[in-house]
Amino acid sequence: EAGVVQSPRYKIIEKKQPVAFWCNPISGHNTLYWYLQNLGQGPELLIRYENEEAVDDSQLPKDRFSAERLKGVDSTLKIQPAELGDSAVYLCASSFRGADTEAFFGQGTRLTVV
Amino acid sequence: AQKITQTQPGMFVQEKEAVTLDCTYDTSDQSYGLFWYKQPSSGEMIFLIYQGSYDEQNATEGRYSLNFQKARKSANLVISASQLGDSAMYFCAMRPSRNYGQNFVFGPGTRLSVLP
Repeated sequence: EAGVVQSPRYKIIEKKQPVAFWCNPISGHNTLYWYLQNLGQGPELLIRYENEEAVDDSQLPKDRFSAERLKGVDSTLKIQPAELGDSAVYLCASSFRGADTEAFFGQGTRLTVV
Repeated sequence: AQKITQTQPGMFVQEKEAVTLDCTYDTSDQSYGLFWYKQPSSGEMIFLIYQGSYDEQNATEGRYSLNFQKARKSANLVISASQLGDSAMYFCAMRPSRNYGQNFVFGPGTRLSVLP
């Protein structure tokens, strides 16, 4: 069974440029998460989807970040324009709905803004 | 709001010995799940073990066990017979149960180094 797939693995862009990340969750998982992980820290939630609905985007900086999950499957996370402080690892995860189910993570996209 | 505390930024353990990684949590929810993840230097987050707040027995998965003390709000991970491949970051996480599950909240992590 395929795991959560993210692309690209690495991205280097200049500040003020746009960037997009893609995530394909595990088949059948209703819940999809985007987390941000700064170096040496734990993941922090950006947005959570239940099927195609964004049920928690309270931590998403909406002035520059946007996300979508078309048809309740794949998801994209976009930053426009990127800032130096956006350099981090962006993790996508998926799970079945329910508190007793673990989330499965992709390998992440390491973004460097120069 | 939920919060996870991991007070050990780094830990060292000799190969083949046991090690305990501390985790305490704060929540007003009565029903929740507790999780431990491992993150090697390659970056992927690997699920290790789960404990439900109403589970009476401590969870075990191979060399991993979770020392759950609900009254103290602690969920420590015990790794027995440490191996060199256990060197990694370890994250404790919690997920409230209301509304069929909420967000995973992660702690800051503990870096474990296994010495040969």
